[in-house]
Amino acid sequence: EAGVAQSPRYKIIEKRQSVAFWCNPISGHATLYWYQQILGQGPKLLIQFQNNGVVDDSQLPKDRFSAERLKGVDSTLKIQPAKLEDSAVYLCASSLEGWGVGNSPLHFGNGTRLTVT
Amino acid sequence: AQKVTQAQTEISVVEKEDVTLDCVYETRDTTYYLFWYKQPPSGELVFLIRRNSFDEQNEISGRYSWNFQKSTSSFNFTITASQVVDSAVYFCALSEARTGANNLFFGTGTRLTVIP
Repeated sequence: EAGVAQSPRYKIIEKRQSVAFWCNPISGHATLYWYQQILGQGPKLLIQFQNNGVVDDSQLPKDRFSAERLKGVDSTLKIQPAKLEDSAVYLCASSLEGWGVGNSPLHFGNGTRLTVT
Repeated sequence: AQKVTQAQTEISVVEKEDVTLDCVYETRDTTYYLFWYKQPPSGELVFLIRRNSFDEQNEISGRYSWNFQKSTSSFNFTITASQVVDSAVYFCALSEARTGANNLFFGTGTRLTVIP
């Protein structure tokens, strides 16, 4: 089975610019997550979608970050305007089930490494 | 609030040695899940194991074993006869039933280096 696809792999922008990341989850996975991993730290959940609805975005800095999953498949995460502290790896993950236990763990993509200068 | 502590920031071992990675967690939920993920230099997070709070049986998978002890809120991970390919950052994570089984809260990770 194909894994979670993310692009671009790397992105370098200047502060105050905007940037967008794309994620294509594993086929059939209803739940999609965006995590932010700052260097030297563990990933932190930004937003969780169940199909095309937002389940949890409590840790998303909504003044600058936005995400959508319009057709319940692909998702984009946008930052506008970017700040220096947004430099991190942005990981997308998907799972077959969402809320319940199920048997499906999270499958992560390779991430997009963002550097804000 | 939930918390995951991985006190060991970096560990180095010589190939074929055994190594244990520690994980201590905090949660107020009675139903929760514990995970270990491996992050090799390529960056992807690889799922290793998930246990729920009602199952304290230790688990062995090849050279990997996990020791879950609710009494000490620990979920330690042991690699037996380590190999160079085990070099990676290992993350322990916790999720709570009330916020979603796959809504993971990660520790800060332990970087394991296996020296040939």
